[in-house]
Amino acid sequence: KAGVTQTPRYLIKTRGQQVTLSCSPISGHRSVSWYQQTPGQGLQFLFEYFSETQRNKGNFPGRFSGRQFSNSRSEMNVSTLELGDSALYLCASSFLPGTGDGYTFGSGTRLTVV
Amino acid sequence: QKEVEQDPGPLSVPEGAIVSLNCTYSNSAFQYFMWYRQYSRKGPELLMYTYSSGNKEDGRFTAQVDKSSKYISLFIRDSQPSDSATYLCAMINNAGNMLTFGGGTRLMVKP
Repeated sequence: KAGVTQTPRYLIKTRGQQVTLSCSPISGHRSVSWYQQTPGQGLQFLFEYFSETQRNKGNFPGRFSGRQFSNSRSEMNVSTLELGDSALYLCASSFLPGTGDGYTFGSGTRLTVV
Repeated sequence: QKEVEQDPGPLSVPEGAIVSLNCTYSNSAFQYFMWYRQYSRKGPELLMYTYSSGNKEDGRFTAQVDKSSKYISLFIRDSQPSDSATYLCAMINNAGNMLTFGGGTRLMVKP
């Protein structure tokens, strides 16, 4: 079966711009979570959506937002980009949230802010 | 101090060696323990999953959880060059909230 698909794979943006990243989960999975990965901070949780509702949110500023659609696809948006937002953004899907064996990650979107 | 601590390495071993990777954690509410492998330019791939304390074996991989010591381990037997990657431990608390990751250990297996 198809895995988690993230688009685009690479993105270069300028400071102050906004960006939208997309995640298509595995068919049948209803939970989508987002993570930011940087060399200095590692993998940090952004937020999780289940059945179109935000279930949990990490410790990130309000510039980071997301949503989930009725087909479980999810988008995350970062407004007013800063240089420090340069990172690999990973999406993970699972059938249900909070089950350790169910999280499958996509290959990520590499965002570079210049 | 981070909730989950992991030695960043790099850890360099010869092919065929037994590799031991470890994480310590501070949150006693963690109940689910995972090990992920991440190759360069790829997302993390789940290797092992353990609920609460105990051992679990899958082929060349063995995961151990010691909740009393707040310490988890991953052992790789007969290591191969294809095992060269970054290994991440991750945990979920009993409320089923988000994955909390260690910083990752970079492993290099030399032929």
